[in-house]
Amino acid sequence: QKEVEQNSGPLSVPEGAIASLNCTYSDRGSQSFFWYRQYSGKSPELIMFIYSNGDKEDGRFTAQLNKASQYVSLLIRDSQPSDSATYLCAVPSIHAGNMLTFGGGTRLMVKP
Amino acid sequence: NAGVTQTPKFRILKIGQSMTLQCAQDMNHNYMYWYRQDPGMGLKLIYYSVGAGITDKGEVPNGYNVSRSTTEDFPLRLELAAPSQTSVYFCASSYSSWSEQYFGPGTRLTVT
Repeated sequence: QKEVEQNSGPLSVPEGAIASLNCTYSDRGSQSFFWYRQYSGKSPELIMFIYSNGDKEDGRFTAQLNKASQYVSLLIRDSQPSDSATYLCAVPSIHAGNMLTFGGGTRLMVKP
Repeated sequence: NAGVTQTPKFRILKIGQSMTLQCAQDMNHNYMYWYRQDPGMGLKLIYYSVGAGITDKGEVPNGYNVSRSTTEDFPLRLELAAPSQTSVYFCASSYSSWSEQYFGPGTRLTVT
């Protein structure tokens, strides 16, 4: 089992819809969870992080964490074409000296 | 602040050649990282450093070497380049292993 798993997509949603991106992780001891956005040909940039169970909202973005089920989600409300990118989930792993382990990313396409 | 800088942006190497990818940061971060990203894939950690003089292997260290003589610089050395090392290389830095990582613009390397 991979340490951090994401559906590679592409996930296609119409403009204005809610995009839901999911990530599962294997290390039950993980305490922090990060979502990075990466535009094609660019470097990743942090958009959200979450430490506690439940929801964390920042503008149009909501991160949801369920430690019991070992998954973290990212919801993007009112999706815009400019949200089209690859979204990477990252979790610190004890198998990597508590360094971040990245999932393979989910490619999101928002169609006008 | 320039953030994290990388040179060169692009490089083509012949099989068996060697080169050094340069990375520098001006945020006084202790933690620095080297990742590689193959097409359509997530980030794989090559090496990381928790401070000047301290480095450790990540998930895919074979064929690479690093050094960290100063807080600012973290060069990655490729010895005897192989086609399997064709990838995009990202350098990143962070205040701690739990905090946001800031990425450089990347180096696109082709080995033929």
